[in-house]
Amino acid sequence: SQQGEEDPQALSIQEGENATMNCSYKTSINNLQWYRQNSGRGLVHLILIRSNEREKHSGRLRVTLDTSKKSSSLLITASRAADTASYFCATDLYDMRFGAGTRLTVKP
Amino acid sequence: DAGITQSPRHKVTETGTPVTLRCHQTENHRYMYWYRQDPGHGLRLIHYSYGVKDTDKGEVSDGYSVSRSKTEDFLLTLESATSSQTSVYFCAISESLGEEKLFGSGTRLTVV
Repeated sequence: SQQGEEDPQALSIQEGENATMNCSYKTSINNLQWYRQNSGRGLVHLILIRSNEREKHSGRLRVTLDTSKKSSSLLITASRAADTASYFCATDLYDMRFGAGTRLTVKP
Repeated sequence: DAGITQSPRHKVTETGTPVTLRCHQTENHRYMYWYRQDPGHGLRLIHYSYGVKDTDKGEVSDGYSVSRSKTEDFLLTLESATSSQTSVYFCAISESLGEEKLFGSGTRLTVV
């Protein structure tokens, strides 16, 4: 069964705006990871947050994790057209489960 | 270089025929994985390997087998391809279980 569920399924914003996408999951986790996938390509790892962490930053990315609500959010600040891609969260306990993804479109 | 390569990139095959997809890594990572990606389902784990000759089933393993005779190679075999196995297949590697994965570029398989 699918573990992570991203929300929204699709998001369209203007260049320079911030993009926020959310991930909810069902069971306990060791860590939660976010990946990006450009059309027709493989997934690229963005950031990993462990279950005992609440927030993590990497460049223009900010990830939060709320284990009590079983949810995470990914914030991309000052978005660029090159950020257009699908974004997936993946949770890990014994094996990694991916959600169906959020399709982000950044208009120039 | 990429560190992980998949072959072939595209394949069209007929129902009932055997198909083997190859994943090759140059990172010397212990763990290797095969996923399939279908619209609306994200990625689902088929099989994974935790060492040479050590493999285990994932979420959607029925109809698939794997082999790992060398650290660098992980093969996925569809013994008798069916139309429901039409999908994009991704290989991934990681140093530790559940940690950051490096993905290949994928193999688009069409079973007609």
